[in-house]
Amino acid sequence: QSALTQPASVSGSPGQSITISCTGTSSDVGSYDLVSWYQQHPGKAPKLIIYAGSQRPSGISHRFSGSKSGTTASLTISGLQAEDEADYHCCSYAGGYTWVFGGGTKVTV
Amino acid sequence: QLQLQESGPGLVNPSETLSLTCTVSGGSINSNEYFWGWIRQPPGKGLEWLGDITYRGSTYYNPSLMSRVTISVDTSKRQFSLKLYSVTAADTAVYYCARRDDSSGYWFDPWGQGTLVTVSS
Repeated sequence: QSALTQPASVSGSPGQSITISCTGTSSDVGSYDLVSWYQQHPGKAPKLIIYAGSQRPSGISHRFSGSKSGTTASLTISGLQAEDEADYHCCSYAGGYTWVFGGGTKVTV
Repeated sequence: QLQLQESGPGLVNPSETLSLTCTVSGGSINSNEYFWGWIRQPPGKGLEWLGDITYRGSTYYNPSLMSRVTISVDTSKRQFSLKLYSVTAADTAVYYCARRDDSSGYWFDPWGQGTLVTVSS
């Protein structure tokens, strides 16, 4: 069970759109539509922003969207705002009642 | 609003046992829809799922840590606990407890604020 692969950092200007990739294998991301994404501001706990690949919890901005192609899941943030500057983590069900996270991506606005 | 709070020693000696407790407030721990889990984050690194438990005591563990970890639950106190045995410096991390959905997407939410545990003599 290896960690999912995320870029270490992604940056964008206010108003732009950015996409964070999360690459797994056929045993995790590629087999299940069960990827979730978490936003983590410095010194804070992670916060759920996308679940089941593309679903947004109540209260989460429509600027956050999720998708998947093959063994790579993606998180897109549109209309980038200063408050979006944070770390973003992906997580996938990996079968056998186990879960695997990515290494995290630092977003700079 | 459901809240989770970790508690336990912030410093553990190498080769000893790390013990943490998570207290659930603002909601019931007795639900068939959720598991109660532990996740850790070493300094400057990504998150790692350690394992989780139902209120009835059914457990799932990360295979890479299974031989060293035990998670238990005390529903009367609305608490669940983590024990990690034979710790080394590599176990230094912020430890989070979180609720895991078991019915609509396997997501983790909410999370506790986290507690830093340092393994050092």
